[in-house]
Amino acid sequence: AQKVTQAQTEISVVEKEDVTLDCVYETRDTTYYLFWYKQPPSGELVFLIRRNSFDEQNEISGRYSWNFQKSTSSFNFTITASQVVDSAVYFCALSEYDSSASKIIFGSGTRLSIRP
Amino acid sequence: EAQVTQNPRYLITVTGKKLTVTCSQNMNHEYMSWYRQDPGLGLRQIYYSMNVEVTDKGDVPEGYKVSRKEKRNFPLILESPSPNQTSLYFCASSWASDTGELFFGEGSRLTVL
Repeated sequence: AQKVTQAQTEISVVEKEDVTLDCVYETRDTTYYLFWYKQPPSGELVFLIRRNSFDEQNEISGRYSWNFQKSTSSFNFTITASQVVDSAVYFCALSEYDSSASKIIFGSGTRLSIRP
Repeated sequence: EAQVTQNPRYLITVTGKKLTVTCSQNMNHEYMSWYRQDPGLGLRQIYYSMNVEVTDKGDVPEGYKVSRKEKRNFPLILESPSPNQTSLYFCASSWASDTGELFFGEGSRLTVL
């Protein structure tokens, strides 16, 4: 069965520090997709990134970067030079490729607080 | 503007009084899904639909019903709400069932007394 673990319930750092949010997943499929979503204090859920299981290249988008390692079943998210606006709950998610079913499983989330 | 619209946004009701949370998307997405968000549990999938007239259970379907008679609408029905269904509910849609990014509604906070 698929499972997503975000072991860090809450993280608090001072502005401008780098911070890494961990995500470990379990799946029996060889084809799957991983996602990160952001939920700021206003409550909406915002898509950040999608990565398929065949693409292990790291991704960088501005201050955000993602490290996908199939060997450790991890898809970690790093924010460089954090800012107060990065304060949010971040969710990692997994979906397995199966045309007959489509469950997208979310982790329990990591609440990130950036202190000024 | 592309969006997923949920109504109501806030609702307080009593045990046993049937209610429906509506969800509508204007992006012609085939895939739609309902989630509930509870502290410490993240987002849990209730039901999903891969197309019109095709629905299936997620991880926590007990106490809920859905229907998908039109592509744009995916209402969530609580036939006899109970206090353990007090939660924050999100509707989401996507262009592809398992590969596309999810577009979420703004959420519906439901309290069952």
